[in-house]
Amino acid sequence: SQQGEEDPQALSIQEGENATMNCSYKTSINNLQWYRQNSGRGLVHLILIRSNEREKHSGRLRVTLDTSKKSSSLLITASRAADTASYFCATSSYGNNRLAFGKGNQVVVIP
Amino acid sequence: SQTIHQWPATLVQPVGSPLSLECTVEGTSNPNLYWYRQAAGRGLQLLFYSVGIGQISSEVPQNLSASRPQDRQFILSSKKLLLSDSGFYLCAWSDTLGDEQYFGPGTRLTVT
Repeated sequence: SQQGEEDPQALSIQEGENATMNCSYKTSINNLQWYRQNSGRGLVHLILIRSNEREKHSGRLRVTLDTSKKSSSLLITASRAADTASYFCATSSYGNNRLAFGKGNQVVVIP
Repeated sequence: SQTIHQWPATLVQPVGSPLSLECTVEGTSNPNLYWYRQAAGRGLQLLFYSVGIGQISSEVPQNLSASRPQDRQFILSSKKLLLSDSGFYLCAWSDTLGDEQYFGPGTRLTVT
């Protein structure tokens, strides 16, 4: 079943602005991951945050995790046209190590 | 470095015809392997995963089957395709179950 649910579903921003996406989930997790998918391509792993971590950075990406609210956010700072893609969150739960993907969040960065 | 290949990239098949999609991984040993299907505008649905040669776990009962004849080869098959089998099929691998997965470029299947 799809556990991760991203919000908002679609986001359109100007180049240079920040983009924030949220993901909620329902059960206890081992880790939460974010992936990017360019149109018609495979998914690319961006960042993994474990349940005992609250924040993680990778380049222009910042991920936060709030296990009490069962939610995560992905922030892309100083967006570029090349950031235009769909972004998926995926959760891995204890005792069930398959990833459950959300429906994705389409981001369009306007040059 | 590790690479993952899928072929074919696109496929158009008539209803009732057989299917064989292939996925191979290079640069790693004993990977966990996965087959996903992605419908238009939707998330990923896990179809099968494998932790070793000949070990296949099915997630969704359906018209498809999977096999792992070699350590780094994963095959998705069907004896008779249905219209509902159309979609974007993605293969992925990981070192550890539940950790980051690395995806192939995908196969776009259209059943007519």
